[in-house]
Amino acid sequence: QKEVEQNSGPLSVPEGAIASLNCTYSDRGSQSFFWYRQYSGKSPELIMFIYSNGDKEDGRFTAQLNKASQYVSLLIRDSQPSDSATYLCAVKRAQTGANNLFFGTGTRLTVIP
Amino acid sequence: GAVVSQHPSWVICKSGTSVKIECRSLDFQATTMFWYRQFPKQSLMLMATSNEGSKATYEQGVEKDKFLINHASLTLSTLTVTSAHPEDSSFYICSARVRGRANTGELFFGEGSRLTVL
Repeated sequence: QKEVEQNSGPLSVPEGAIASLNCTYSDRGSQSFFWYRQYSGKSPELIMFIYSNGDKEDGRFTAQLNKASQYVSLLIRDSQPSDSATYLCAVKRAQTGANNLFFGTGTRLTVIP
Repeated sequence: GAVVSQHPSWVICKSGTSVKIECRSLDFQATTMFWYRQFPKQSLMLMATSNEGSKATYEQGVEKDKFLINHASLTLSTLTVTSAHPEDSSFYICSARVRGRANTGELFFGEGSRLTVL
């Protein structure tokens, strides 16, 4: 079982719609959860992070965390063509040490004008 | 804040030569930096963890003698791909955690370096 799993997509949504990106993780003791956006040929950039169960909103983005279900999602409201990118989910496990951040394979999102 | 700069952004070299990539934290101190490799349409693969003042920790399957990592200061880590071959062609990305904020897990990424070995 992979540490972090994401649907690779591609996920296509029309402009103005809500895009929903999902991520599951295997380690129940994971502590922190991150969503990165990566444009083609560029390095990832942090969009949001969430630590506690529930929703966290930042502008058009909402992260949702359900630790009981080991599930984290990212909602993008009013999707724009500029949101077209690959979205990486990352999970920080409870283990000590520096090498405890695991990335999913990413979901490619395309927003159709 | 928390800007990570990587250089060069792209490099083309002949097979058998060595290439050095620099990763600098511009406005913060980074006791730990991470080197990732990303092949087309794949996710980030952690290669090694670079610790200031000590030896790097390599992930399984990554040859430490081929990918030399040096982290001589709190703001600079270098990755040298020695005797590069075409299969080493990839997108190499460094990242860092802010000193004192390691528990948050948040990583700041450099711009990436695209290596093409002919």
